[in-house]
Amino acid sequence: QVQLQESGPGLVKPSQTLSLTCTVSGGSISSGSYYWSWIRQPAGKGLEWIGRIYTSGSTNYNPSLKSRVTISVDTSKNQFSLKLSSVTAADTAVYYCARGDRDPTLAEYFQHWGQGTLVTVSS
Amino acid sequence: DIQMTQSPSSVSASVGDRVTITCRASQGISSWLAWYQQKPGKAPKLLIYAASSLQSGVPSRFSGSGSGTDFTLTISSLQPEDFATYYCQQANSFPLLTFGGGTKVEIK
Repeated sequence: QVQLQESGPGLVKPSQTLSLTCTVSGGSISSGSYYWSWIRQPAGKGLEWIGRIYTSGSTNYNPSLKSRVTISVDTSKNQFSLKLSSVTAADTAVYYCARGDRDPTLAEYFQHWGQGTLVTVSS
Repeated sequence: DIQMTQSPSSVSASVGDRVTITCRASQGISSWLAWYQQKPGKAPKLLIYAASSLQSGVPSRFSGSGSGTDFTLTISSLQPEDFATYYCQQANSFPLLTFGGGTKVEIK
């Protein structure tokens, strides 16, 4: 059973770069046609998809965050990572990593999620 | 971008009640819709995919319907463990995926 686990600093200063890593266990990040996403949720609010990476390294980002986001993959460590630059208090949220599974119609659903990690942006 | 609008934003119900939650897409998305359940402090859990397909292990009291722009999630007989927040997700606006704002199911 695949499992995902986020890790990284829980506190980031304004204007700095938020960096998180998702470690995948129970399966190779390179196997299968999966898409690896980051999703965030501010306290008491809804879910916002940040972006995804395919094992080939191709990426897609939410246009609202695209100028600040970089998602990368390290297949040797079975990990993928998120960097979000120039953070402000509005970036304070629980950040989830998730595996996107595509059906034959290319619709993408998230069956596997990490437990989430709270990142607070504050000086 | 495709916007997803859920209603109501919250609903109060009793154990045994039938609960229906609606999700409307700003443009047609065929059947590319999922429903998730989220409990406090936990990651979302996939309940329904492709608008009406029940994810393995999910109780049959959950069902989904709809296509195009209008979708519903129905809980046929609310159980104590069903009190949670529910989100819809449009699944095929490549490359952008979006979620609804959520519906909180509360104890009446």
